[in-house]
Amino acid sequence: DAGITQSPRYKITETGRQVTLMCHQTWSHSYMFWYRQDLGHGLRLIYYSAAADITDKGEVPDGYVVSRSKTENFPLTLESATRSQTSVYFCATRHRGTDTQYFGPGTRLTVL
Amino acid sequence: QQQVKQSPQSLIVQKGGISIINCAYENTAFDYFPWYQQFPGKGPALLIAIRPDVSEKKEGRFTISFNKSAKQFSLHIMDSQPGDSATYFCAASSGGSNYKLTFGKGTLLTVNP
Repeated sequence: DAGITQSPRYKITETGRQVTLMCHQTWSHSYMFWYRQDLGHGLRLIYYSAAADITDKGEVPDGYVVSRSKTENFPLTLESATRSQTSVYFCATRHRGTDTQYFGPGTRLTVL
Repeated sequence: QQQVKQSPQSLIVQKGGISIINCAYENTAFDYFPWYQQFPGKGPALLIAIRPDVSEKKEGRFTISFNKSAKQFSLHIMDSQPGDSATYFCAASSGGSNYKLTFGKGTLLTVNP
């Protein structure tokens, strides 16, 4: 049971380029989340989705776009990457009616 | 605006000692308080969680103490082991916000052998 997979695990890109981080889950959990983790800031919510075709902003949504056409996938797109978006990105899921959020292994993104 | 304040930033404990990490929150609507453990290169994993209807929850060597009036909660790790060395995050959420988690900034725990 793979649970949550994120791809790529590591990515180096240049300022101004578009990059998409993928998140896939095998559990059919209703909720999916994107967080970024930066030293000194902990984990901050970027966007979340309560179901397919339902998304909403989190604490730090600027510069990011999400979509969720299928329950199992929740891609995060940086439309024009900036150096301040260098971070580790985590996808998480939560089943409706439960409390626990499960996190993926993360994607380390470096923007040069 | 930081809604969950966590301290200390780092903690060094000897094997067998007690590790204590504290968190304070501001939003009285929070009704779910989990602690997550993260090892280097891995995603956070739920360690233990509590709701405000109880003042303490224990799972093995890990205990959450909760003080609703003070809006504080803490994680106690008894008989700390080198394998407990990790970063610990407290978090809080409320049902009214779809249980979006607000995290503290994390505590890097090092347990020396």
